[in-house]
Amino acid sequence: GDSVTQMEGPVTLSEEAFLTINCTYTATGYPSLFWYVQYPGEGLQLLLKATKADDKGSNKGFEATYRKETTSFHLEKGSVQVSDSAVYFCALSDLGQGAQKLVFGQGTRLTINP
Amino acid sequence: NAGVMQNPRHLVRRRGQEARLRCSPMKGHSHVYWYRQLPEEGLKFMVYLQKENIIDESGMPKERFSAEFPKEGPSILRIQQVVRGDSAAYFCASSPPGSSGNTIYFGEGSWLTVV
Repeated sequence: GDSVTQMEGPVTLSEEAFLTINCTYTATGYPSLFWYVQYPGEGLQLLLKATKADDKGSNKGFEATYRKETTSFHLEKGSVQVSDSAVYFCALSDLGQGAQKLVFGQGTRLTINP
Repeated sequence: NAGVMQNPRHLVRRRGQEARLRCSPMKGHSHVYWYRQLPEEGLKFMVYLQKENIIDESGMPKERFSAEFPKEGPSILRIQQVVRGDSAAYFCASSPPGSSGNTIYFGEGSWLTVV
């Protein structure tokens, strides 16, 4: 079945550092790919998405490019802030499975120190 | 435009009791999903419902768990005879009719603690 594998955390960086969180996937169809962010004690918020190969999703300084050849959707940000501390989830949605259900990675906890 | 509303936000139940979690989708959304997040894990799909129909319940445990989305009112996730292993965050999500955009929107979750 479909699956998503994320870089294991926790990840700790200093403010203004460059961030990469790796995400790779396996899917039988042509999935859409997502990054969700979960701040402490809150629900998931959609951060960005890409629906087809070579699409780049971007939001709040974060970017991720849908790479079909490497089945990857790595999350990057050039200069992180303390407020970016959260858990980040990579996910895919494969309509070919007949339902709009998301398959999530295990999450990567990010802590940014001032 | 209110988002996906879940209640209660926090629920404590003793082993053997019943837990009922409610979810009101975003306005105009007719598709509802329930996900469970166990401690330190990612979210796992449980069930997908449309009004009065269960479309996909492949992620629901076979016993003690049930879900409904009636014609009127919120969607309900019901857990009977709760056990400690049911302690988790339960997230509801909704999406509009059709498959365009296939983006679903999550509520803030209901945290169930079984003592």
